[in-house]
Formats: sequence, C-alpha cells, structure tokens
Amino acid sequence: GNSVTQMEGPVTLSEEAFLTINCTYTATGYPSLFWYVQYPGEGLQLLLKATKADDKGSNKGFEATYRKETTSFHLEKGSVQVSDSAVYFCALRGGGATNKLIFGTGTLLAVQP
Amino acid sequence: EAGVTQFPSHSVIEKGQTVTLRCDPISGHDNLYWYRRVMGKEIKFLLHFVKESKQDESGMPNNRFLAERTGGTYSTLKVQPAELEDSGVYFCASSPFMGGDDTQYFGPGTRLTVL
Repeated sequence: GNSVTQMEGPVTLSEEAFLTINCTYTATGYPSLFWYVQYPGEGLQLLLKATKADDKGSNKGFEATYRKETTSFHLEKGSVQVSDSAVYFCALRGGGATNKLIFGTGTLLAVQP
Repeated sequence: EAGVTQFPSHSVIEKGQTVTLRCDPISGHDNLYWYRRVMGKEIKFLLHFVKESKQDESGMPNNRFLAERTGGTYSTLKVQPAELEDSGVYFCASSPFMGGDDTQYFGPGTRLTVL
C-alpha cells in the first residue's frame, strides 16, 4: 500500500542555517505530494504541494521537488528563522474516489536564535 | 472567511465514558475528513464524507467509533465506550467539491485524553 517515510526529529538548527527534511514515499500510480506544517497551538496548514514528477512546490522560502526516480519529496529552506519552528508533515494523496491523505510521522523543527 | 473549527479543543475522560467531537467545515465545502494522530505517530485517515454520505470509512478503527454528518454541514465523531488507546489528537479537514481546488483545510484538532 501507499506510505510515507520522513526523517525522525527533532531537528535543531541555528537561525539562518540551511534546512533539509527528507521524505520518501511508496505509491502505486502517480500520487500528489504535500508538505503540511503545524505551528504551536495551531492546526495543520498546507505549506506546498506538487502534483506531478519534476514539479517544484514553493512557499515562504521553502521548496520541495517531486522526484519520481528516487520517490522523494525533500523539504528545503536556505535560511531558517525562529518563526519556522513547527512540526512538518510530508503527505501523499493517491487519488481514487476518496482523496485521503497519507502522512509521515512528522518532524519537529526547533530553530534557535 | 472562517476556517475549519473543532470543539472541544481538549477533552479528558475516563475509560468507558463517551465523548463526542464536533467539526464545522468551511462553509460550502462538500468534503469532510476525519484524521487522528496517536502518541506522536503519523496522522491517520479515519473517514471521508461527501455531503452527508460516507464516501470512505476504511480508516475507522472499530465499531466504538461513530461519525455522522446530518444535513451535510457539521460532523460529529462519537467514541463509545472510550479506551486508553483512543487518546490522541483528532483532526478534521474539509475541501470543496472535487475537480477544482482540492486542498484539504485542517482544523486545530481536538486533543483527547482517556484515563
């Protein structure tokens, strides 16, 4: 079945450091891929998405490229800020009638000043 | 425009009791989803409504869980009787009719603790 694997956290970085959070997936067909973010005390927010191979999703300085050959969708940001501290979830949607999302376990990012 | 709202934000109950969670989707969204995150693990799909009909309930863990969406507006998720392993954060999400913007918009979640 479909599944998502993302790197274990927590990830602790200093402000302005480079961020990578790895995400790989297993899926049949051609899933859409997402990164959601949960800031402290808030709900999940869509950060970015990509719907087909080689697409790059981007938002708020974050980027992720849909790599079909490596079945990956790694999240990157060139210079993190304290305000980026949150839990990041990688997810896929396999399509079909339900459109349900399949999530990874989440990665806690803590950015220190 | 108001986002997805969930009530209560926190609930602490004892094993064997009943709890009902409520979700109000974004107005006009036909699709409503329930998910939960248990013990810091992955967020798992529970079920999907299209208007008042259950489109997919394959993620419901057992028959102690009952979801309804009367009138195709808000939804409730009842757990009866609650067990310790039901503790976690329950998220609701909604999205418009499929074919357009199919982004799922999530609520803040209800944190359920079963003692």
